[in-house]
Amino acid sequence: AQSVTQPDIHITVSEGASLELRCNYSYGATPYLFWYVQSPGQGLQLLLKYFSGDTLVQGIKGFEAEFKRSQSSFNLRKPSVHWSDAAEYFCAVGMNDMRFGAGTRLTVKP
Amino acid sequence: DGGITQSPKYLFRKEGQNVTLSCEQNLNHDAMYWYRQDPGQGLRLIYYSQIVNDFQKGDIAEGYSVSREKKESFPLTVTSAQKNPTAFYLCASSRRTGIGDGYTFGSGTRLTVV
Repeated sequence: AQSVTQPDIHITVSEGASLELRCNYSYGATPYLFWYVQSPGQGLQLLLKYFSGDTLVQGIKGFEAEFKRSQSSFNLRKPSVHWSDAAEYFCAVGMNDMRFGAGTRLTVKP
Repeated sequence: DGGITQSPKYLFRKEGQNVTLSCEQNLNHDAMYWYRQDPGQGLRLIYYSQIVNDFQKGDIAEGYSVSREKKESFPLTVTSAQKNPTAFYLCASSRRTGIGDGYTFGSGTRLTVV
């Protein structure tokens, strides 16, 4: 069965610290992979996507993600977190339709 | 600027009422989607449409209905048959019927049963 797992429901980091949000998927073949961000009461904004090529993908707002086929993972990273990064982050995968993880809520401490 | 407009932002429904959520896009996208978001559950697909006058059920279509009479519009009706309609509803669209470009989302409608 196709599934997306974001193991961390809530993560708290200090401003300026590095961040890694985890995403694991189960799929028959390598699907399209996405990370979205959602501010409270808003829609989702696409941060980055991957389908093929270089396994390290650069996105907007200083985010990057690394695809690891052997681990079926697509983890999101940022070297230095800003207070404005506080939001909910969703990993999504699919080929013909998009399946979303349950999300990881990021809190940034001053 | 092109985008997706959802209205209203907040909607209150009485028990037994049908309500309709609006979704309009000016991106010239072919495909449109409705998702329901509940805390801790991510997004679940209600209905999607890949072309005018055609739509398919998603994972949780019971109690909902849609229409796609125009390319730009994909309204969602929450019927009285939906027993737990309180949620945040998101509309999305994509340029092609495949998902390679990702989806563009509206800013959502929060529906509350009173």
